[in-house]
Amino acid sequence: GAGVSQTPSNKVTEKGKYVELRCDPISGHTALYWYRQSLGQGPEFLIYFQGTGAADDSGLPNDRFFAVRPEGSVSTLKIQRTERGDSAVYLCASSSGLAEGYEQYFGPGTRLTVT
Amino acid sequence: AQKVTQAQTEISVVEKEDVTLDCVYETRDTTYYLFWYKQPPSGELVFLIRRNSFDEQNEISGRYSWNFQKSTSSFNFTITASQVVDSAVYFCALSEAMVGTYKYIFGTGTRLKVLA
Repeated sequence: GAGVSQTPSNKVTEKGKYVELRCDPISGHTALYWYRQSLGQGPEFLIYFQGTGAADDSGLPNDRFFAVRPEGSVSTLKIQRTERGDSAVYLCASSSGLAEGYEQYFGPGTRLTVT
Repeated sequence: AQKVTQAQTEISVVEKEDVTLDCVYETRDTTYYLFWYKQPPSGELVFLIRRNSFDEQNEISGRYSWNFQKSTSSFNFTITASQVVDSAVYFCALSEAMVGTYKYIFGTGTRLKVLA
């Protein structure tokens, strides 16, 4: 079946602009996660959705970052007033179950470059 | 505080050699899960294995094996008879059983280069 998809695959934007990154999880997966991976580092957690609600947004670095999942499927990560430090690969993952032990399946990521 | 340490930044081996990737974790939770993921040059993270804190049995899957030792807080990964296709960055991750928190804590990864 189809895996997690993310669009766009690459996004170049100017400092100060607004961007939206989209994630389409595996069909039927209720849990959705966003992570950010900087060069040479492991992914860092940003936000977790269970259904439509953000159950844990403790990883969002500041109020310029916001994410939604209005219908419990597709999610959009929104970044306002982008800064050069926001440049990274943004990864989305989904998981089938409610239990914390269920493995997460990752998408290919969106590489964001802020110039 | 929760933490995952992968002290080996990069390892190079010659094809057919065995190689072990180390992972040490820190957690105050008694119930937790450990994972290994592979990130090939294409960039997509591929799930390899999940282990819960109550199951210390070692696991073998083909050329891959995992050794989980709670006494040393380690979850090491061994590739037997390595192949060039094993070249990738490998990540160890921790997930704690805290209510409402299902995030992964990743290590910084180990880049494995298998030379022909």
